[in-house]
Amino acid sequence: AQTVTQSQPEMSVQEAETVTLSCTYDTSESDYYLFWYKQPPSRQMILVIRQEAYKQQNATENRFSVNFQKAAKSFSLKISDSQLGDAAMYFCAYRSAVSTGNQFYFGTGTSLTVIP
Amino acid sequence: GAVVSQHPSWVICKSGTSVKIECRSLDFQATTMFWYRQFPKQSLMLMATSNEGSKATYEQGVEKDKFLINHASLTLSTLTVTSAHPEDSSFYICSARYSGSKAYNEQFFGPGTRLTVL
Repeated sequence: AQTVTQSQPEMSVQEAETVTLSCTYDTSESDYYLFWYKQPPSRQMILVIRQEAYKQQNATENRFSVNFQKAAKSFSLKISDSQLGDAAMYFCAYRSAVSTGNQFYFGTGTSLTVIP
Repeated sequence: GAVVSQHPSWVICKSGTSVKIECRSLDFQATTMFWYRQFPKQSLMLMATSNEGSKATYEQGVEKDKFLINHASLTLSTLTVTSAHPEDSSFYICSARYSGSKAYNEQFFGPGTRLTVL
């Protein structure tokens, strides 16, 4: 089974600064999708950004961008101009593009604190 | 955007009783729904995959007789925790997979249900 590793249980960033959350994964597949989800205190999972493995270009969504290194199986999330509302748990997730189950494999999460 | 609802949002029950949690896709059809369990400050653990009109597929270690899943329509899946015990107390989250033609077949998450068994 695929595994997703987030090696930073907790991170903090000063408001308006930039922070990078790390994620690595292990798979033998060549076609898959990677996601970053945000889970605020409300516990609602919110999609932050996604990346298709066949695309070399890194995905960006406003202040959020990823550094996707397919050979290294690394998928980090960069949050620029951090805001207080960015404080949440962040989960990295993997999903196969070929298997019929299409289940998500989640990392253990990184708790992000934004310091005013 | 696609919306998934869960009902109830929280429930407290006595040990030995059964609790049903509903997961609905409000504005799209979902051939597949997933049920996750999340303990405090931990990740989401997949419990089972629910396919409309067929039996659910349970992950290893999940008791199918204890966690009954029914996916009777393209917009509704239910999880019933039978004979609940305090160790079943957790946060349960469902997600629904859009059955359209989007390449990434994104999953949309419900807001979760907090179950407390006394």
